[in-house]
Amino acid sequence: QLVLTQSPSASASLGASVKLTCTLSSGHITYAIAWHQQQPERGPRYLMKFNSDGSHHKGDGIPDRFSGSSSGAERYLTISSLQSDDEADYYCQTWGTDTVVFGGGTKLTVL
Amino acid sequence: QVQLVQSGAEVKKPGSSVKVSCKASGDTFSSYSINWVRQAPGQGLEWMGRVIPILGVAKYAQKFQGRVTITADKSTITAYMELSSLRSEDTAVYYCARGMAGTGLFDSWGQGTLVTVSS
Repeated sequence: QLVLTQSPSASASLGASVKLTCTLSSGHITYAIAWHQQQPERGPRYLMKFNSDGSHHKGDGIPDRFSGSSSGAERYLTISSLQSDDEADYYCQTWGTDTVVFGGGTKLTVL
Repeated sequence: QVQLVQSGAEVKKPGSSVKVSCKASGDTFSSYSINWVRQAPGQGLEWMGRVIPILGVAKYAQKFQGRVTITADKSTITAYMELSSLRSEDTAVYYCARGMAGTGLFDSWGQGTLVTVSS
């Protein structure tokens, strides 16, 4: 079964960097994913698409502070030079045959 | 870049139906899919289904089979999601999202439509 696993929460200080993790289920480790940001009381916003070969595509206007990487079944979203408005929920997303799957989301707190 | 604009908030009685629209501007549907995702209060994102407008073919998440209908009108570049037999647990914000051609990954979201089911 296609499943994405995310830690429920993460925190980091203003100006620091944070690395969020999304883990693909066994048998699906080559799948591409997308990262989406949801700020409080707002709808989701597409950040980037990331393939297992390292290729990626960013959404319009997404700053260079946001980057993606991968290792095996894990897909990472790194946010550098954290700003207060980076405080948000971050969801990873993938798809399979006639289905779309979201991770449970990681709530990022900027201290 | 495409912009997805959804219809306004709805309040519905249990047992009734709701139909939410999603109009694309700045683009045509091309070979993209339009997906519907909902978010209950304080919860995560849940995929409901999608339509590929140029084909008119829809697929639904098993959870919503028989209760949801997703359609698209190519002439007005508008997609619709109708959910029937509403219950209080259907109270949520409903989002449309564009799926990138050839993938199921989303690259654009609507602003969301709050549907409240209450007697």
